[in-house]
Amino acid sequence: DTGVSQDPRHKITKRGQNVTFRCDPISEHNRLYWYRQTLGQGPEFLTYFQNEAQLEKSRLLSDRFSAERPKGSFSTLEIQRTEQGDSAMYLCASSLLGGEKLFFGSGTQLSVL
Amino acid sequence: GDSVTQMEGPVTLSEEAFLTINCTYTATGYPSLFWYVQYPGEGLQLLLKATKADDKGSNKGFEATYRKETTSFHLEKGSVQVSDSAVYFCALSDRSSNYKLTFGKGTLLTVNP
Repeated sequence: DTGVSQDPRHKITKRGQNVTFRCDPISEHNRLYWYRQTLGQGPEFLTYFQNEAQLEKSRLLSDRFSAERPKGSFSTLEIQRTEQGDSAMYLCASSLLGGEKLFFGSGTQLSVL
Repeated sequence: GDSVTQMEGPVTLSEEAFLTINCTYTATGYPSLFWYVQYPGEGLQLLLKATKADDKGSNKGFEATYRKETTSFHLEKGSVQVSDSAVYFCALSDRSSNYKLTFGKGTLLTVNP
């Protein structure tokens, strides 16, 4: 069990640029979740996948956000035309199908200047 | 919708002091309840959980009891250590919501020697 990996750990970008984050879940985990955490707040759910299917998206996930999980393995989260309000920690988690325990990665800290 | 309210921080204690972090929840179903911990620079880790009323979760000297009558899941530890300094998140999940976690805002605990 190598854990959930996220890349990059930190990303600084200028407003209006596009950014993409990657998450590698624990290999046998069917479910993959994306969360966003801002300073002083708990993580907020963005979206989740079961294998390659994206089954739910939060209303927090505007049209500028898109997530994919091709082949049901790693996942990417892309933010287009970034805004300063997108600055946050983006967390990925994975779990077994029907499992309550989520395993979290260390997150990608995004700063939009 | 589901929500979690936890004690505002920060909390500062001396080593060997008693810790309580309050957590209450609102849920439409019968959720499972969790405490996650986030050490500096690391991802969230599951600390303990309880899946039904009157269950007690425990780990590393921490305990929390699922109290349905008061919709609470308070975290306690009899004697904290400097190494317990971290942010603690109360959370719930429900099968009907596909085990998405709903988090509280987090409580920063600092333990001084």
